[in-house]
Amino acid sequence: GAGVSQSPSNKVTEKGKDVELRCDPISGHTALYWYRQSLGQGLEFLIYFQGNSAPDKSGLPSDRFSAERTGGSVSTLTIQRTQQEDSAVYLCASSGVVSGPGELFFGSGTQLSVL
Amino acid sequence: AQSVTQPDIHITVSEGASLELRCNYSYGATPYLFWYVQSPGQGLQLLLKYFSGDTLVQGIKGFEAEFKRSQSSFNLRKPSVHWSDAAEYFCAVGARNTDKLIFGTGTRLQVFP
Repeated sequence: GAGVSQSPSNKVTEKGKDVELRCDPISGHTALYWYRQSLGQGLEFLIYFQGNSAPDKSGLPSDRFSAERTGGSVSTLTIQRTQQEDSAVYLCASSGVVSGPGELFFGSGTQLSVL
Repeated sequence: AQSVTQPDIHITVSEGASLELRCNYSYGATPYLFWYVQSPGQGLQLLLKYFSGDTLVQGIKGFEAEFKRSQSSFNLRKPSVHWSDAAEYFCAVGARNTDKLIFGTGTRLQVFP
């Protein structure tokens, strides 16, 4: 596609439920990132996929969070047993060799609200 | 570990005034440095980046930033602010062996006519 696509754009869930957030990166981009944006917290790094390498999961806040990337393209971020503190905007980004190091292309995000 | 500090949470300027947004980083070697902008209702967009060479880098929309190694800073500047520059600005640092970026907490810019 022309840009990074994220779905859903908004998700409201009840505490304790599981949610799945989807990211479709720019075609051909080998790197994919998930960040979380909370008020006053900036962009918090969650996880980073680069090609076929093992993902960098160092930013995942707890074992309730996981992510996978299938076929080197689409990624799903899963949050199990959601808590109210998980409420945030979840941003996905991708980058490729042509775009150069650090030039990330961001999606519009998924606004997650946990009631 | 890499880290980024943006000491100003919120800045207000008048249209036409000059602007400087501060960014300090912590990293053991020469980093890659970036400024991103997030306009209301839009995704983040890269403004400019520093990899090496000339320490004054030019970006889009008339912005520039200067890398000062001695101060571990990468401040963003614009000589004359436009109302459309109202947005949130994020500084980020990256390591030279990875595309992973660490972002600061952002500075919200408000522009008065």
